[in-house]
Amino acid sequence: GNSVTQMEGPVTLSEEAFLTINCTYTATGYPSLFWYVQYPGEGLQLLLKATKADDKGSNKGFEATYRKETTSFHLEKGSVQVSDSAVYFCAFIGGGADGLTFGKGTHLIIQP
Amino acid sequence: EAGVTQFPSHSVIEKGQTVTLRCDPISGHDNLYWYRRVMGKEIKFLLHFVKESKQDESGMPNNRFLAERTGGTYSTLKVQPAELEDSGVYFCASSQGGQKMPQHFGDGTRLSIL
Repeated sequence: GNSVTQMEGPVTLSEEAFLTINCTYTATGYPSLFWYVQYPGEGLQLLLKATKADDKGSNKGFEATYRKETTSFHLEKGSVQVSDSAVYFCAFIGGGADGLTFGKGTHLIIQP
Repeated sequence: EAGVTQFPSHSVIEKGQTVTLRCDPISGHDNLYWYRRVMGKEIKFLLHFVKESKQDESGMPNNRFLAERTGGTYSTLKVQPAELEDSGVYFCASSQGGQKMPQHFGDGTRLSIL
């Protein structure tokens, strides 16, 4: 069935470090892929998206590329800030269901 | 524009009681979704409305859960009677357009069943 696999963490990095959060998915058809972010005390916000193979989504310095051959959508940022501390969710829509299929979320902690 | 709003933000009830959660989508959004996150698990899709019609309710756990969207505006999710395993955070999201359009989420309702 449909599923998303991502590291849960917590992932702890120092400010200005390079970030990679891996995400792989299992879905039928051609899903659209998303990264959502939940800052402390807030709801889920869309961070970026990609709707077809080789598309790159980007926002706030974060990037992710839709890799159909490896069914992956890894999130990267070149230099993280303390304000990036949050929980990051990889998700897709498609695969026969109306709603989003989410990973468990990765808790990211950035230390000054 | 106002975002998706959910009420209450937190509800604590005893097993066997009834609770009703409310979601107000972004004005003009035809699509409304309910999701649930049980502690330690993924956020799971519950159901999808297009205007007032249930498009997909394949994720509803059982018949103790009833969702409505009268008039195609706000939606309610009622749990009756509540069980311990219903504890979690219930999210509502809305979108306009096709399936691939981004969904905008509310802050969620944290439901605790004692």
